[in-house]
Amino acid sequence: ETGVTQSPTHLIKTRGQQVTLRCSSQSGHNTVSWYQQALGQGPQFIFQYYREEENGRGNFPPRFSGLQFPNYSSELNVNALELDDSALYLCASSRGGQTSSGNTIYFGEGSWLTVV
Amino acid sequence: AQSVTQLGSHVSVSEGALVLLRCNYSSSVPPYLFWYVQYPNQGLQLLLKYTSAATLVKGINGFEAEFKKSETSFHLTKPSAHMSDAAEYFCAVSETGRRALTFGSGTRLQVQP
Repeated sequence: ETGVTQSPTHLIKTRGQQVTLRCSSQSGHNTVSWYQQALGQGPQFIFQYYREEENGRGNFPPRFSGLQFPNYSSELNVNALELDDSALYLCASSRGGQTSSGNTIYFGEGSWLTVV
Repeated sequence: AQSVTQLGSHVSVSEGALVLLRCNYSSSVPPYLFWYVQYPNQGLQLLLKYTSAATLVKGINGFEAEFKKSETSFHLTKPSAHMSDAAEYFCAVSETGRRALTFGSGTRLQVQP
């Protein structure tokens, strides 16, 4: 148990639709990151939120957006879904910035998104 | 730019045999290095991390890894494989000031009875 919870665990969407994935971070963690893991690949960094502000972004288009709330929980929103968006979406939480002093990053179980 | 190469997408060992999973990294500054394990249909669990203290790092479930700067390697080992070790293993790197972990493509470990 990492203390990071994600919902929903599985969902199926149609191409062109929008999806919202949710993450509750570990207690005391003010930093949340989102990763996309396509089948058979390693996770790819989407973006990070620190104290409710986007704090870094990977190579993902603007239709991937997010929010962080005052309780440090977070949402990942994806608009205009494409078939290639089918993947496991992982939320990760940590303290004080992603890799400051090699802080441990804890991952949730992920949300499996299938786009048909 | 930082990157990670995991040699061997699949590794098969017999139960009780040595496990060796290879990871090489590139980084322009001293890195932080991590090994994560992913069991089927689950998220990532941290096995161990290197943060510039001891070069030999011990993790959970009997795993350990050695940081070798001259070889830019951080290979994961376990003296005796157990059936429950069958999973996907990911090596990851990061640097001070960076926001993201960069992961390798993973190595699937099979343990044969």
